[in-house]
Amino acid sequence: AQTVTQSQPEMSVQEAETVTLSCTYDTSESNYYLFWYKQPPSRQMILVIRQEAYKQQNATENRFSVNFQKAAKSFSLKISDSQLGDTAMYFCAFMKPSGNQFYFGTGTSLTVIP
Amino acid sequence: SAVISQKPSRDICQRGTSLTIQCQVDSQVTMMFWYRQQPGQSLTLIATANQGSEATYESGFVIDKFPISRPNLTFSTLTVSNMSPEDSSIYLCSVNPSTSSYEQYFGPGTRLTVT
Repeated sequence: AQTVTQSQPEMSVQEAETVTLSCTYDTSESNYYLFWYKQPPSRQMILVIRQEAYKQQNATENRFSVNFQKAAKSFSLKISDSQLGDTAMYFCAFMKPSGNQFYFGTGTSLTVIP
Repeated sequence: SAVISQKPSRDICQRGTSLTIQCQVDSQVTMMFWYRQQPGQSLTLIATANQGSEATYESGFVIDKFPISRPNLTFSTLTVSNMSPEDSSIYLCSVNPSTSSYEQYFGPGTRLTVT
């Protein structure tokens, strides 16, 4: 079975600063996908960034980047130049291509402080 | 990407009744998913709904309690049957619009409170 662990239930960061959210996962699969989703108070789940396990290069989307360490089964999210709109719950998710089933972590509640 | 809408956005229901939640997508998709998010918790997959076949339920979820319909490639319903307060949750549908990217896009959710 796949498990996804987010060890930081809550975090805060000053506006314009950088913050890193941690995620580890456990799987015996060699091919899989990893995602970070954001859920603001409005509760709409929004895809932030994704990473294919077969790619060594870390994914980047504007102010969001990941540090993917396949051997360590670690997939952290770095948010640079934090903005007030980044305040949300962040979920790390694992997916294996067969079945398209997502496994979500328990989430990290991020607050950006003005 | 895909634009997903859900109805109702929220509801308060009496114990023992049933509620049907609708999920509408703006494009044709093969795979649709239904999740439950209990208060302060993460998302748990209830079932996968493919058009033209029976839904596939995850461990702990059964068709009698959560019947699902998938009449076409843009629409699905989830019914929460014989509700109890433990069913109070947010229910979300999601779709995978592309078999090559494996991304899932989520609807806004239905907040259900059972009294």
